[in-house]
Amino acid sequence: EVVLTQSPTTLSLSPGERATLSCRASESVGTSLAWYQQKPGQAPRLLIYDASNRATGIPVRFSGSGSGTDFTLNISSLEPGDLAIYYCQQRANWPFFGQGTRLHIK
Amino acid sequence: EVQLVQSGGGLVKPGGSLRLSCAASGFTFDNAWMTWVRQASGKGLEWVGRIKGKADGGTIDYSIAVKGRFTISRDDSKNTLYLQMDSLKTEDSAVYYCITASIPGTTYAFDVWGQGTLVTVTP
Repeated sequence: EVVLTQSPTTLSLSPGERATLSCRASESVGTSLAWYQQKPGQAPRLLIYDASNRATGIPVRFSGSGSGTDFTLNISSLEPGDLAIYYCQQRANWPFFGQGTRLHIK
Repeated sequence: EVQLVQSGGGLVKPGGSLRLSCAASGFTFDNAWMTWVRQASGKGLEWVGRIKGKADGGTIDYSIAVKGRFTISRDDSKNTLYLQMDSLKTEDSAVYYCITASIPGTTYAFDVWGQGTLVTVTP
């Protein structure tokens, strides 16, 4: 199984700051990694796929990078609406999803 | 518009059964890989199982947690996905989502989500 470990568990930043979220895989997943945003009370929304491709309608403030075992989601110039839990996900096998990073906006 | 509309769910006692449905529209359903994930209250996302599309043989895979108790099926004539849940346990309580990837060339990046349906298993 490929285990994804996300860090930090919780992140608290102010509007306008840059958020950097990490996702580390227990073995290489190439670039087959996606990122999701889940706002309170909503279903998750796809942000990034194939490590660095933004999904339709996702603002350019969201960017993904990485390959192999180390991946990063960057959110530039944070807005209050970015309050959410962010999950990474790999395509290879169970359990597929990381445990999430909770982003608080001060 | 690409859409997944879920139905079913509710309250059931341990050992009971429920069936969830997921009606698809706006895309070619019979070749779509359809997945169920769930999310217990306050917890992260848990992959439940997946059924591949007709062109890929319709293979079904399950998580260890539900294998032997849950059954995923599809009716391509009705563009509908099902999750039959038997021998339910309290730990199966969660919001269940049906999801799929509509981005060309990907089968794992889930850009289409149903609205979710709550399953509560309680004595």
